[in-house]
Amino acid sequence: AQSVSQHNHHVILSEAASLELGCNYSYGGTVNLFWYVQYPGQHLQLLLKYFSGDPLVKGIKGFEAEFIKSKFSFNLRKPSVQWSDTAEYFCAVNAGYNQGGKLIFGQGTELSVKP
Amino acid sequence: EAQVTQNPRYLITVTGKKLTVTCSQNMNHEYMSWYRQDPGLGLRQIYYSMNVEVTDKGDVPEGYKVSRKEKRNFPLILESPSPNQTSLYFCASSSLWTGQETQYFGPGTRLLVL
Repeated sequence: AQSVSQHNHHVILSEAASLELGCNYSYGGTVNLFWYVQYPGQHLQLLLKYFSGDPLVKGIKGFEAEFIKSKFSFNLRKPSVQWSDTAEYFCAVNAGYNQGGKLIFGQGTELSVKP
Repeated sequence: EAQVTQNPRYLITVTGKKLTVTCSQNMNHEYMSWYRQDPGLGLRQIYYSMNVEVTDKGDVPEGYKVSRKEKRNFPLILESPSPNQTSLYFCASSSLWTGQETQYFGPGTRLLVL
């Protein structure tokens, strides 16, 4: 069965620090990959997504992610975090149309940015 | 404004008392889905619907039912709620699902089953 693993459950950083959140998935075929963010008290919204082409994907608010097929990874990065980036971040994968509508989420990583 | 709405936002109920959480979207989306969010487990898909009258199980469908009689609505039904269904529930929708579309999430429904 497909699974998505996020290595860090809670990350604490100071403002201006660099961020990298790990995400690994277990499906060996073609995948569609997503990062969603949930700000405190709000619903999930899309940060970025990848399904083909350039493996380095840029999203909103200065976030980017790199798809490394050989490592089954899709890590999220930001060069310099801000206090407003405090949120929970979810990696998600869909293994293509032949997997129907299933979207598998990781456990989430809570990011706390200290001002 | 394009949005997914859920009602109620908060609900406290007792074991065995049937309840329905409504979900509605105004974006003419074909695809709709329900998730539950639990600490340390992330979001897990309960049911999804590719279009009207087309529904299928997600990863944790036990104890839940859904229906899709109209394109805009996708209610989640708990026929006999139990305490292990205490959770935060999200509805989501997207355009015709090929696996690449962005899902738009509702604000969530926090359910407590006593």
